Parts: sequence; C-alpha cells; structure tokens
Amino acid sequence: KQEVTQIPAALSVPEGENLVLNCSFTDSAIYNLQWFRQDPGKGLTSLLLIQSSQREQTSGRLNASLDKSSGRSTLYIAASQPGDSATYLCAVTTGTASKLTFGTGTRLQVTL
Amino acid sequence: EAGVTQSPTHLIKTRGQQATLRCSPISGHTSVYWYQQALGLGLQFLLWYDEGEERNRGNFPPRFSGRQFPNYSSELNVNALELEDSALYLCASSLIRTQYFGPGTRLLVL
Repeated sequence: KQEVTQIPAALSVPEGENLVLNCSFTDSAIYNLQWFRQDPGKGLTSLLLIQSSQREQTSGRLNASLDKSSGRSTLYIAASQPGDSATYLCAVTTGTASKLTFGTGTRLQVTL
Repeated sequence: EAGVTQSPTHLIKTRGQQATLRCSPISGHTSVYWYQQALGLGLQFLLWYDEGEERNRGNFPPRFSGRQFPNYSSELNVNALELEDSALYLCASSLIRTQYFGPGTRLLVL
C-alpha cells in the first residue's frame, strides 16, 4: 500500500527566503508525482507534474525534483512571497490504479 | 476552456438524510475521480469512473456511491449521512492520468 509523507507539517518563513518542502513515498513504482497548492477552504491548484521518467520540473519560482529510487521529491520555492502562503500537497499515481495518493501536506506561512 | 465544475458549493444536511453532489469534467475528459477531505484526515480517494463504469473504489462503505452519465458528468451520492461525513468533497477529471480538480463541495452534516 502506497503511503506518502510530507515534512515539515508546518513552516513559517520571512518574505524573500528560499525554502524546500519534502515528500517521500513508500512504493517507488509510481506513474507520476504532482505538487498541489490548497488555499484555506478551497480546492486544489496543480503546480507541477513530474512523470516517473523525469528528474525535475520547473515553473517560475517553483522547482520540483524526483528521485524515484529513493522515494523522494522536493519542492523548491525561490524568493518566497506572502501570496505563497497555503498548504502544499504532494500526490502520487501508482501503477494502474489511477487514483492519487496524497500526503498530509505542509502548511506554509510567509510573513512580511 | 472551462475547468472542472462542482455543485452545490455548500450543502447542509441532517444525520440520516441523503446528499447528492455533482461534477462536470473538463470537455473531452472521460474519467472522473471523487475524493474526500475530512478535517484532520487528509485527502482520501473515494471513487473513479471512466467511460460510464466504476473502475476503482477507495476504502469507504457502500452508502457512498455514484454514477457517470453519457456526457461524462458524475454524481456522488451519500446515503444515511453520519456526522463524520462532514467534509470537503473534491472532484477531478482526466483524459490520461493527469487530474484536474474542481473547487469542491463542502458538506456539513448536523
């Protein structure tokens, strides 16, 4: 059974800092890994999708890496802004099940 | 291009009643997924429909059911509501694996 863990559970940083969010998964036979953002009480916004054959993806200030063999992914946020404050979730698709297995999320607060 | 839409945005029911939640996928997407996000429990997979058929089901009791219509829209039905069914219910659609999420329906059971 796939299990996804995210560390830390919560993080508070001052504006302008670079930061790294971590995600680990127990079954390396993934199809892809996605990072999402969720604002309080809202749905999910997809940030980055990494296919199992890829090592990283970049979008603006965001960079996500994937090390499938060790079961790890990191989301790097450069020059953080207060608008980045949200919960960040990673999720993996494993095998043919198609369902996403989510981590418990990292709640990020970027302060002025 | 319109995204995934869900209705209603909020729903209040009492224990024992039935709730019906609706989802319209992105045009051209044939798969619809349902997830539950209950307070403190994270996002849990509920159901996957593709081409009108139920393809996979999460670890939820049979009172959680649904269907997918010929136009690929979907309904999630929750019978005999319990207090712990209070949650944000998210729908996602996909064509090939990548899932796009709707804004969710927040269900409150009193």
